[in-house]
Amino acid sequence: DVVLTQTPPTFSATIGQSVSISCRSSQSLLHTNGNTYLNWLLQRPGQPPQLLIYLVSRLESGVPNRFSGSGSGTDFTLKISGVEAEDLGFYYCVQTTHAPYTFGAGTKLELK
Amino acid sequence: VQLVESGGDLVQPGKSLKLSCSASGFTFSSFGMHWIRQAPGTGLDWVAYISSSSGTVYADAVKGRFTISRDNAKNALYLQLNSLKSEDTAIYYCSRGSFDYWGQGVMVTVSS
Repeated sequence: DVVLTQTPPTFSATIGQSVSISCRSSQSLLHTNGNTYLNWLLQRPGQPPQLLIYLVSRLESGVPNRFSGSGSGTDFTLKISGVEAEDLGFYYCVQTTHAPYTFGAGTKLELK
Repeated sequence: VQLVESGGDLVQPGKSLKLSCSASGFTFSSFGMHWIRQAPGTGLDWVAYISSSSGTVYADAVKGRFTISRDNAKNALYLQLNSLKSEDTAIYYCSRGSFDYWGQGVMVTVSS
């Protein structure tokens, strides 16, 4: 099974700080059809997760453009350019290139 | 788009339970669907996927015990949980194929 390793496990940030979260895969997430099925989700306390980024770098409708995704193959990054208070919570990467599908363990973004 | 889970309960180990996810606001038959779970205080755990053509994929931890199915006429997704274990205790979420929409989740507690 594909293992997704997220770092750091916790990020303490101040409002306005830029933050990067890494997601490394145990194998390439490039599908034979040419797509890379790596998404990023945010789960705020007490809420179901919400989709931020799909297909590595595509911003989901309604998501602020301070969120961006990049990467290829096995290394992926979510960047928040200027953290706002509403961004606090747990961030997860998830892959659906290889079955069974898998989530990363999550990164907690908290206020410093 | 709305996804509403139901069927959660407190059950004894070894017993069975069936979860439902009622979908509205989109053409249900055109989308693959996931079940994802989250044990208390832990991260997201992918459980199962069913494609629009009813092909299925399962996590190793539930293969042979859980069955995902769908009824397109009723706009409904199901998860049959058999031979339940204490480690199956979690909030169970249904989500549309790209994780772009999620239900609020339903609690399953397995305990004697």
